[in-house]
Amino acid sequence: EVQLVESGGGLVEPGGSLRLSCAASGFIFSDVWMSWVRQAPGKGLEWVGRIKSKADGGTADYAAPVKGRITISRDDSKSTLSLQMNSLKNEDTAIYYCATLGCGGDCYADYWGQGTLVTVSS
Amino acid sequence: DIQMTQSPSTLSASVGDRVTITCRASQSISSWLAWYQQKPGKAPKLLIYKASSLKSGVPSRFSGGGSGTEFTLTISSLQPDDFATYYCQQYNGFSPYSFGQGTKLEIK
Repeated sequence: EVQLVESGGGLVEPGGSLRLSCAASGFIFSDVWMSWVRQAPGKGLEWVGRIKSKADGGTADYAAPVKGRITISRDDSKSTLSLQMNSLKNEDTAIYYCATLGCGGDCYADYWGQGTLVTVSS
Repeated sequence: DIQMTQSPSTLSASVGDRVTITCRASQSISSWLAWYQQKPGKAPKLLIYKASSLKSGVPSRFSGGGSGTEFTLTISSLQPDDFATYYCQQYNGFSPYSFGQGTKLEIK
């Protein structure tokens, strides 16, 4: 059974940093492209970024609102996806979900974690 | 960036009704479209991918259609468990991927 468990959320002041993790199990993590998606309170879904498998280059791409402030990385030896967020703004307040990309490329998100809440506030 | 626009934003319907949600893309995305269902306090669940392919385990009352810039999600006979918010998503390359704003399906 595929499981994705996010952790690391919490309250942080504007300008601060936070690192989120996503522990994956139930599939061959190294083969799968992964993504982060966020949802501000009461709002819709927004892609944050995605990272390719190492076999496909292992590079990450980011959405414009977060580009330059976040880094997505993966540790295939630990089946863990990470999201390093710096220079946080109030508008980064959201539930952050990690998700698998279902087709080995640019794709839909077929499995999701339960999410972790990040609150940016002074 | 590719913009996705869903309509309606809110839909009121009754158990047993047939309902259709529309999603329009700002440029052609071929069939690279997915639909998700989200209930309050829960993560989204994938229903349909590649515009019309049903994910394994999803009830057959859900169906998707369309290509290019116009797409539909149809629920043939609403069940109580179907009242939720639905999102479309394009994945025509990471430009980035984008979601529609959501359609909230409410009980009439």
